[in-house]
Amino acid sequence: LAKTTQPISMDSYEGQEVNITCSHNNIATNDYITWYQQFPSQGPRFIIQGYKTKVTNEVASLFIPADRKSSTLSLPRVSLSDTAVYYCLVVPSGGYQKVTFGTGTKLQVIP
Amino acid sequence: DADVTQTPRNRITKTGKRIMLECSQTKGHDRMYWYRQDPGLGLRLIYYSFDVKDINKGEISDGYSVSRQAQAKFSLSLESAIPNQTALYFCATSDRGTVYNEQFFGPGTRLTVL
Repeated sequence: LAKTTQPISMDSYEGQEVNITCSHNNIATNDYITWYQQFPSQGPRFIIQGYKTKVTNEVASLFIPADRKSSTLSLPRVSLSDTAVYYCLVVPSGGYQKVTFGTGTKLQVIP
Repeated sequence: DADVTQTPRNRITKTGKRIMLECSQTKGHDRMYWYRQDPGLGLRLIYYSFDVKDINKGEISDGYSVSRQAQAKFSLSLESAIPNQTALYFCATSDRGTVYNEQFFGPGTRLTVL
């Protein structure tokens, strides 16, 4: 399983764009990069997944460079409700995906 | 996610007691998981099940057992609870048919062992 490394915490003011970078140097060819969001006292929630280049949905964008050794989760114009822990995971496609959540990045949005 | 429910939501028990945490899902998924979360340690996988007849140990299965009573039900038991099992426990499900293996989590059970 590819190990991921991401910052422990980040602070941001409301209305700013937040970028959280994750490194996964040992990513394998069939691995996907997946991000989850967890609010306090709730279970994690899937927010975005990608394989390469850029993926965008209504919640976030995910940028993956050509070498796929890192990825960046981008949250546009954050609000207080975006305060959460964000987990970067590397998930093999097909078969059983035994994933490791790690400690994630705790994002604190400041008024 | 309301499709994945856990009972009880909170439980306080004493050392040595047997405890069962229950998880039910209405998503029709075949895969189910149990995680525990401790402050500063992220989520750690305890057990997972591909289907009713398939159960596997995760990273930290010692002191725990599970039962997959039906496709929709996956129970976690602490045979003899100890204080370091105090944690937040999450059940999750996923669908074998998808490439992305998105996991859907329940609301969690906060367990305190005195």
